[in-house]
Amino acid sequence: ILNVEQSPQSLHVQEGDSTNFTCSFPSSNFYALHWYRWETAKSPEALFVMTLNGDEKKKGRISATLNTKEGYSYLYIKGSQPEDSATYLCAFIGPDYKLSFGAGTTVTVRA
Amino acid sequence: NAGVMQNPRHLVRRRGQEARLRCSPMKGHSHVYWYRQLPEEGLKFMVYLQKENIIDESGMPKERFSAEFPKEGPSILRIQQVVRGDSAAYFCASSPQGPGQGNSPLHFGNGTRLTVT
Repeated sequence: ILNVEQSPQSLHVQEGDSTNFTCSFPSSNFYALHWYRWETAKSPEALFVMTLNGDEKKKGRISATLNTKEGYSYLYIKGSQPEDSATYLCAFIGPDYKLSFGAGTTVTVRA
Repeated sequence: NAGVMQNPRHLVRRRGQEARLRCSPMKGHSHVYWYRQLPEEGLKFMVYLQKENIIDESGMPKERFSAEFPKEGPSILRIQQVVRGDSAAYFCASSPQGPGQGNSPLHFGNGTRLTVT
């Protein structure tokens, strides 16, 4: 079982403010990293699949960076809106090709 | 364009009964994964299947749990003689390729919430 950690566990952000949070994973034997958004009462939806060190991906106001050498990825939300409230999950894929999920960061955007 | 379909959405079983959870992957997807979410915890891998084959069941409890993905029909996660500790949300996900091929993300179903009374 691989150790994939996300921090913080939860955060509150004011509408309009920007925020970011972290996914840490083993830096050796990296294959890929996924980010998912999970809204309450729905199913997780894929945001990004990241494979290369230095990758930066963007989808609207949400973006992610990847550092495979030090074993972390940041997810950024610019100008948070209430609809961004969700749990954000990262999943690490190592040489055995299994997806190991972190416990998630729950974001609550206050109007 | 149906996504991953899981049924039932909610399932209540008494201790000792059997629970059968069904998952129909997205059209064209031959790779299916089952995850369990216990209260206050994240998604824990249970099993990865490809049509008619179990690829990886390292996350599955050794007893009472089994999974299949037949050539025709949905994938089934079966829990025999359920106990209260089996109460959880069970999520199925599918992808067109395995995790080592092409980096396809997973497409999740809405989950089945199992309650054991």
